[in-house]
Amino acid sequence: SQELEQSPQSLIVQEGKNLTINCTSSKTLYGLYWYKQKYGEGLIFLMMLQKGGEEKSHEKITAKLDEKKQQSSLHITASQPSHAGIYLCGASLQGAQKLVFGQGTRLTINP
Amino acid sequence: GAGVSQSPRYKVAKRGQDVALRCDPISGHVSLFWYQQALGQGPEFLTYFQNEAQLDKSGLPSDRFFAERPEGSVSTLKIQRTQQEDSAVYLCASSLSWGYGYTFGSGTRLTVV
Repeated sequence: SQELEQSPQSLIVQEGKNLTINCTSSKTLYGLYWYKQKYGEGLIFLMMLQKGGEEKSHEKITAKLDEKKQQSSLHITASQPSHAGIYLCGASLQGAQKLVFGQGTRLTINP
Repeated sequence: GAGVSQSPRYKVAKRGQDVALRCDPISGHVSLFWYQQALGQGPEFLTYFQNEAQLDKSGLPSDRFFAERPEGSVSTLKIQRTQQEDSAVYLCASSLSWGYGYTFGSGTRLTVV
């Protein structure tokens, strides 16, 4: 969907390095969700952000929501092979129930 | 159940064949969504149910696609006269209510040959 743009589309980092994935919306965000997907599998819920300025962390993954910029970022610290996969941001735009997704960011971790 | 269950996990259909994909949401979840995910793309919204009512079907690509949730629990996505462009992973998600998280199933990978 063009309503949510993720960058970069793919990312290759060396194990132990930090990385950031961005998700930008063209419309007002009412909820921003980050999911991880491994090839051929369903989406695994990571985090949900609902308020501007909100920041959440789980293990080595931190997500922030900048409501004014209509943007969210996902930051991974000291990346590990287990972090490899496709990261998807999904958003409820303008109060709609359905989620609109970005095209995904494919993360590869090199040992 | 503990999670969203989808069946079959894989489906190969000959072009022109009808298929039915099943979704068992988490018990008590009011909202149910169907998404279509093409290879290398993010999921695209197809349709949404609140209990048994289909409130949004704006994402269904053609009148060959039909979804139902007659008792407000299990849902079936039916595709008639399948075409090659229907090949994709079909994902089902359920949610307790608006503002709560969405739990996704593992998906059904449909291949039309």
